[in-house]
Amino acid sequence: QVQLVQSGAEVKKPGASVKVSCKASGYTFTSYYMHWVRQAPGQGLEWMGIINPSGGSTSYAQKFQGRVTMTRDTSTSTVYMELSSLRSEDTAVYYCARDPPWIDWAFDIWGQGTMVTVSS
Amino acid sequence: QSALTQPASVSGSPGQSITISCTGTSSDVGGYNYVSWYQQHPGKAPKLMIYEVSNRPSGVPDRFSGSKSGNTASLTISGLQAEDEADYYCSSYTSSSTPYVFGTGTKVTVL
Repeated sequence: QVQLVQSGAEVKKPGASVKVSCKASGYTFTSYYMHWVRQAPGQGLEWMGIINPSGGSTSYAQKFQGRVTMTRDTSTSTVYMELSSLRSEDTAVYYCARDPPWIDWAFDIWGQGTMVTVSS
Repeated sequence: QSALTQPASVSGSPGQSITISCTGTSSDVGGYNYVSWYQQHPGKAPKLMIYEVSNRPSGVPDRFSGSKSGNTASLTISGLQAEDEADYYCSSYTSSSTPYVFGTGTKVTVL
């Protein structure tokens, strides 16, 4: 079945970096854009950026420019989101979400989420 | 880019209809038909309920419907059921430097 499986929870110190993975299965990986969305505890959803798994092109939210890098590995159907210079405000659940080509800017399949905790 | 504005909470009794509003600007909700709605139960990932203003993905009950007027989009849940109790988020494409934005979220309570 179609699914996105993310890597496990992470605990990082302020100033460190974290790299979260999202492995796709059950569909043609390169045919669907992938987005990253985060949700701080008790807060709303926040869009971080998008990657085209086919060519690797990316677009990031202005808030994260310079701190976030999204990459992909087509051999393993996996996308990655790396966030650097972590601070306590980055403590959140990070989701990857698939964007089908027949829908504009909507996410039909989501990963299970990865909790990232930033604490000294 | 500021978040789209939603009411913090909406409630209704089983069987009733409720409507959640999502207010943006002409640069997002009012300018494009790329408004989506997501349902999120506690501890779970969001689920797509409506895309492109008023389209339902396969498997979403027809009790859920979406519409838009000017800079405000709306999600209506008819025949409210206990399992509809969740958080709901709207979202939209925007013409700003950050091309996608979510709403502030609405907690739906079934009385």
